[in-house]
Amino acid sequence: EAGVTQFPSHSVIEKGQTVTLRCDPISGHDNLYWYRRVMGKEIKFLLHFVKESKQDESGMPNNRFLAERTGGTYSTLKVQPAELEDSGVYFCASSHAASGGSEAFFGQGTRLTVV
Amino acid sequence: LAKTTQPISMDSYEGQEVNITCSHNNIATNDYITWYQQFPSQGPRFIIQGYKTKVTNEVASLFIPADRKSSTLSLPRVSLSDTAVYYCLVGDRGSGGYNKLIFGAGTRLAVHP
Repeated sequence: EAGVTQFPSHSVIEKGQTVTLRCDPISGHDNLYWYRRVMGKEIKFLLHFVKESKQDESGMPNNRFLAERTGGTYSTLKVQPAELEDSGVYFCASSHAASGGSEAFFGQGTRLTVV
Repeated sequence: LAKTTQPISMDSYEGQEVNITCSHNNIATNDYITWYQQFPSQGPRFIIQGYKTKVTNEVASLFIPADRKSSTLSLPRVSLSDTAVYYCLVGDRGSGGYNKLIFGAGTRLAVHP
């Protein structure tokens, strides 16, 4: 069974440009999460989808970030326009249960560098 | 929100048992304790999860005392490939009852030959 896949693995863009990150969760997982780690900091929660609905987007830094999950399958995270402080590693995770005891499976991450 | 505290780093040698302790004084009744492992350039990987007492799987054991204010991850006979960052997390159920993970700084374990 395929794990959580993220694309691209790396992205280098200029300040002011737009970048879209994609996440394909494990098939059948209703829960999809986005996290990120900026340089030298801890991994931080961004938002959580249950199927196509946003359950919690309290971690989204500002309105330059837009996450979607059309049809409840894959998800995209768009940064527009990108700023230098957006550089970091963006992780996607999925899980199949909404209880506090569920295991989350993480992707390899997308390393975003804004120059 | 439940917050965790764990050592920043630990060193060990191949073949030894490693115990990493995590404090979570504000753990809530419905929270689970979960440990993740992360290698460089990879996403975190689930190791083990528990609610109380002891849990064991093929990779590790997790010891949780009755008050649940701390937990200890035990790695038996570590090898060089166990060198990684280990995160202790306490499930934040949030408003929707889901498992929103709150990561701390983790413990950087270095296993030496």
